[in-house]
Amino acid sequence: LAKTTQPISMDSYEGQEVNITCSHNNIATNDYITWYQQFPSQGPRFIIQGYKTKVTNEVASLFIPADRKSSTLSLPRVSLSDTAVYYCLAGMYSGGGADGLTFGKGTHLIIQP
Amino acid sequence: EAGVTQFPSHSVIEKGQTVTLRCDPISGHDNLYWYRRVMGKEIKFLLHFVKESKQDESGMPNNRFLAERTGGTYSTLKVQPAELEDSGVYFCASSPFQGSYEQYFGPGTRLTVT
Repeated sequence: LAKTTQPISMDSYEGQEVNITCSHNNIATNDYITWYQQFPSQGPRFIIQGYKTKVTNEVASLFIPADRKSSTLSLPRVSLSDTAVYYCLAGMYSGGGADGLTFGKGTHLIIQP
Repeated sequence: EAGVTQFPSHSVIEKGQTVTLRCDPISGHDNLYWYRRVMGKEIKFLLHFVKESKQDESGMPNNRFLAERTGGTYSTLKVQPAELEDSGVYFCASSPFQGSYEQYFGPGTRLTVT
């Protein structure tokens, strides 16, 4: 299970593109990179997952370089409602073969008008 | 399609009392997970059910915690007796596939032990 490092917090403005970078230097060959979003008083919500290169869905894009030691979550044209905590996960729980996710501290993204 | 639901949303109990949290996963999801976040810490995995069987409970903090999933539908997490350090938010998640990174989380139950 790779340890992930991401900014503790970021600020941006409505309409801007926001990029959140996560480093996972020790990612294993079979590990995927997953991002979750969490609003206050809610559980985390899956937003995107990738293995390499670029993945795009209706919510975000995920860029993963060839060495896979980092990844960047890109949120296009953010709005106030994108204010949330964003978690980068690289691999799953390492104990006992379980499928439990391992969350770090996340990045608290604050969008201002 | 209804999402994962948890009950109660908030529980306040005294140290030494018993509390039971309930999770209803998305219908048809065989995999059910419990997580918790204690104050100031990260969200931590507690255990994983596949249908009614405990796949892994290595994240359970101690034997004061008992999780069940009778019939492979809803699950309960009982804390008996509750201690102050058990305060936090308990999340339940479900997934149709084992080994999936995409899990569907409920809103959580905030437990306060006084």
